[in-house]
Amino acid sequence: DAGVIQSPRHEVTEMGQEVTLRCKPISGHDYLFWYRQTMMRGLELLIYFNNNVPIDDSGMPEDRFSAKMPNASFSTLKIQPSEPRDSAVYFCASSLGRTGDENIQYFGAGTRLSVL
Amino acid sequence: AQSVSQHNHHVILSEAASLELGCNYSYGGTVNLFWYVQYPGQHLQLLLKYFSGDPLVKGIKGFEAEFIKSKFSFNLRKPSVQWSDTAEYFCAVKAPGGSYIPTFGRGTSLIVHP
Repeated sequence: DAGVIQSPRHEVTEMGQEVTLRCKPISGHDYLFWYRQTMMRGLELLIYFNNNVPIDDSGMPEDRFSAKMPNASFSTLKIQPSEPRDSAVYFCASSLGRTGDENIQYFGAGTRLSVL
Repeated sequence: AQSVSQHNHHVILSEAASLELGCNYSYGGTVNLFWYVQYPGQHLQLLLKYFSGDPLVKGIKGFEAEFIKSKFSFNLRKPSVQWSDTAEYFCAVKAPGGSYIPTFGRGTSLIVHP
């Protein structure tokens, strides 16, 4: 398997624009996670899905953020409108299940977002 | 609420120095414990894990971690660090029940000078 695939790797946009980040989890994994990493706050869990259903979105900072998982092989994280404080590295991760080794999360390479 | 604390946000060492990174969590019961590493410009990857058994766990690249239940800790150690160990290190803890997913600490940045 190619691992978790994220696109784009880098995104530079202007304040107010819509940004869409994409993720393809490892095939067969039931859990998908979106994280945000910044120097100030470290690694933050934004939302996670189980079998395509959003389970906990309490980490989503504002209504400007939304995430979807229309099928088992694709998820998006959208920011509309974007603001400079959204600049961060956004990681997607997936895991097989919820016990033992199934809990190990596999991370994508991340999307480095810069909002000017 | 679940809480994972990594007290040292930044650690700077010289090569061959010994390393210990702290990780503490705030709840009892049976836990699953993880350390992940993120090398510069790369994604997070698993370094080692503990589910049960021997509380001293050996991982890749000479790293080890010790689970001390009475102290709610899972500290990461390496006897002699190398320049290539420069990275961000994340502790993660999964408690039984609840959300069934691990909670990550905010990470510790390690810089090793040659």
